[in-house]
Amino acid sequence: EVQLLESGGGLVQPGGSLRLSCAASGFIFSDSPMAWVRQAPGKGLEWVSDIFGSGARFQYADSVKGRFSISRDNSKNTVSLQMNSLRVEDTAVYYCAKRLMSNNGWPFDYWGQGILVTVS
Amino acid sequence: DIQLTQSPSFLSTSVGDRVTITCRASQDISSSLVWYQQKPGKAPNLLIYGASTLQSGVPSRFSGSGSGAEFTLTITSLQPEDFATYYCQQVYRYPITFGQGTRLEIK
Repeated sequence: EVQLLESGGGLVQPGGSLRLSCAASGFIFSDSPMAWVRQAPGKGLEWVSDIFGSGARFQYADSVKGRFSISRDNSKNTVSLQMNSLRVEDTAVYYCAKRLMSNNGWPFDYWGQGILVTVS
Repeated sequence: DIQLTQSPSFLSTSVGDRVTITCRASQDISSSLVWYQQKPGKAPNLLIYGASTLQSGVPSRFSGSGSGAEFTLTITSLQPEDFATYYCQQVYRYPITFGQGTRLEIK
């Protein structure tokens, strides 16, 4: 059974830092691209960042570029999101998601339960 | 960035109804369109990818169609557990983007 478990959320002041982690199990982690998606309170979904299986390639939304950094440790089956220079507008539930490598785009086939980050 | 516009944003419907949600992309995204269902306080759940491929375990009353820039999600015979918010997503090009969501409510 695929499981994704986020940790590291909480309350932080504007300008502060926080590191989210996602522990994965139930699939071949090193083969799977992973992503972070966030959802501000009462709002829609926003893709934040992606990292390929090898960890050598990654992408960021413009809203977090230069402030957030994604990484992974394939020996520990974890993916992390280092968030620096946090802003009030970064307040959201952050989801870790696994991407399915299909022939027609890579959907997010499994999601963690989400973790709340509050910047205030 | 590729913009996705869902319509309607809100729909009041009844159990047993047939529902169609539309997602329009600001440019051609081939078939790289995904649909998710999200219930309050829960993570999104993958329904359909590649515009029309049903994810394993998803009931067959859900179906997707379209290509290029216009896509639809159809739910035949709505069940009580289908009342939720539905999002489309394009995975054609970075940045990955989502539609604004369509909320289904019980009439």
